[in-house]
Amino acid sequence: NAGVTQTPKFQVLKTGQSMTLQCAQDMNHEYMSWYRQDPGMGLRLIHYSVGAGITDQGEVPNGYNVSRSTTEDFPLRLLSAAPSQTSVYFCASALLGQGIATEAFFGQGTRLTVV
Amino acid sequence: GENVEQHPSTLSVQEGDSAVIKCTYSDSASNYFPWYKQELGKRPQLIIDIRSNVGEKKDQRIAVTLNKTAKHFSLHITETQPEDSAVYFCAAVNRDDKIIFGKGTRLHILP
Repeated sequence: NAGVTQTPKFQVLKTGQSMTLQCAQDMNHEYMSWYRQDPGMGLRLIHYSVGAGITDQGEVPNGYNVSRSTTEDFPLRLLSAAPSQTSVYFCASALLGQGIATEAFFGQGTRLTVV
Repeated sequence: GENVEQHPSTLSVQEGDSAVIKCTYSDSASNYFPWYKQELGKRPQLIIDIRSNVGEKKDQRIAVTLNKTAKHFSLHITETQPEDSAVYFCAAVNRDDKIIFGKGTRLHILP
């Protein structure tokens, strides 16, 4: 049982490049989400999903795309990287019970630098 | 949408003293309030949570209180120890299942 696996751990991109951050969980969680963490800003929700085929925007969705074709995977795509997207990204998953999210389990994080 | 405010942003307490971190939320429909601890360079991990039908919950040195009328909840850590030094995040979850976090509190335990 690996929990939430996030790759890569570190990435440097040039402005304008695109890339995909991978996230996979093996706990059969319905809920998956992506956050970015910046100094003094806490964890800000980018996109989230409550099940396969369902995605929704969070607090800061611009510049990011997601899809949820399976329960296990929730990749985050940066379409055209900008320096403002330099951040630490966390994927998190949780079990939904009666519409109530429970404990969220986080991946190890991806430190992304856009130059 | 939900908005979560967390105070203070930094807190220093003497080892052995108590620490209190406070959060307010805006969406009265929010029904689940977890607290996460993040040590330097690591991922956030749940330390305690409370649901909207409960006013207080305790787990050893950690307790959380919830005031639904005022829409605020607090984390209390008693008999603080050096390993309590970390960043703590509160969060609120509403019926849309969004987990919205506060900006975090950096807790320093002074020897």
